[in-house]
Amino acid sequence: DAKTTQPTSMDCAEGRAANLPCNHSTISGNEYVYWYRQIHSQGPQYIIHGLKNNETNEMASLIITEDRKSSTLILPHATLRDTAVYYCIPARGNQFYFGTGTSLTVIP
Amino acid sequence: GAVVSQHPSWVICKSGTSVKIECRSLDFQATTMFWYRQFPKQSLMLMATSNEGSKATYEQGVEKDKFLINHASLTLSTLTVTSAHPEDSSFYICSARAPGGYTFGSGTRLTVV
Repeated sequence: DAKTTQPTSMDCAEGRAANLPCNHSTISGNEYVYWYRQIHSQGPQYIIHGLKNNETNEMASLIITEDRKSSTLILPHATLRDTAVYYCIPARGNQFYFGTGTSLTVIP
Repeated sequence: GAVVSQHPSWVICKSGTSVKIECRSLDFQATTMFWYRQFPKQSLMLMATSNEGSKATYEQGVEKDKFLINHASLTLSTLTVTSAHPEDSSFYICSARAPGGYTFGSGTRLTVV
């Protein structure tokens, strides 16, 4: 399973876009990139996932580089409720191996 | 959307006793469920993969005799922490593959005193 590198922490002003990077240079060809977030003392919440193409849903956008070695999760208009730890997880099967994630703090 | 329910949300038990945690898929069938453990200020660590009707697969370093997993139906997996000790105090989380993606339960906070 591919290892990931994410910033330990980030701040974002409320209402602004939050851009969370993830390096997954050892990702294999059949691994998707999943993004989950965890609000304190809760189970992880699914955000988005992709293989090669950029993806967008009601929560976020996922930009994957052409070589697939990195990706960026974009929360277009961050709110205080987006404060959480965000995990980028390359995975091809059922098993998810979580890295350390990025602790995002949205500031009023 | 698909929901995975865990019970109890929190439990306090005495050292040496056993504790059972339930994980249910509420509106879908899950042939495979996953159990994670999370210590304070750390990430989630995969403990085991629970397979309906067969033995669970444990990650390296996880004691299968201490963490008993039973997946007797397509909607229920249980994790029993046997002879619990204070170092087993942790946040235990299950997940399952639901239509539309992998869904996690809300977790169980175990405190062993």
